[in-house]
Amino acid sequence: ETGVTQSPTHLIKTRGQQVTLRCSSQSGHNTVSWYQQALGQGPQFIFQYYREEENGRGNFPPRFSGLQFPNYSSELNVNALELDDSALYLCASSTTVMNTEAFFGQGTRLTVV
Amino acid sequence: DAKTTQPPSMDCAEGRAANLPCNHSTISGNEYVYWYRQIHSQGPQYIIHGLKNNETNEMASLIITEDRKSSTLILPHATLRDTAVYYCIVSPMGTASKLTFGTGTRLQVTL
Repeated sequence: ETGVTQSPTHLIKTRGQQVTLRCSSQSGHNTVSWYQQALGQGPQFIFQYYREEENGRGNFPPRFSGLQFPNYSSELNVNALELDDSALYLCASSTTVMNTEAFFGQGTRLTVV
Repeated sequence: DAKTTQPPSMDCAEGRAANLPCNHSTISGNEYVYWYRQIHSQGPQYIIHGLKNNETNEMASLIITEDRKSSTLILPHATLRDTAVYYCIVSPMGTASKLTFGTGTRLQVTL
């Protein structure tokens, strides 16, 4: 158990729809990152939030957006879903931006049909 | 471009040491070597990290060559629960949650 919880664990959406995934970070962690993991691949960094501001972004289009709340929980929003968005979405939290270890949640399995 | 090269798969007998190699010939002076593992259907789990000295913790040992172009993760007494995909990542300090994962090494521990 890492103390990072994600919801929902699974969901199915239709192409073109929008989805919101949620992450509750470990107590005391003010930094949260989101990753996308396609089947058979390693996780790919989407973006990081630190103190409610985006603090770095990977090679993902603007239809991937996020929020971090004052309690450091976070949301990942994906608009105009495409079939290739089907993946495991992972949230990771850490104590600060200058960290040495990230704690990952179990992920949300998104299927786009 | 991948910064690290790992064998796609390895086998290890339970109770024996598992030695997982990683090549990172283009590593920069400010980049650390991180190791994570991902057990099936779970999120990645941090194992260990190092800059240039060998490191050991309760999970594993990390041996980094003097020229820092390669490293080896050692699980001293592998168990069935160590079956997982192991990722070797190089990244500057402070980027432990902005990591670039490759495809890793799938370690299968067998009886």
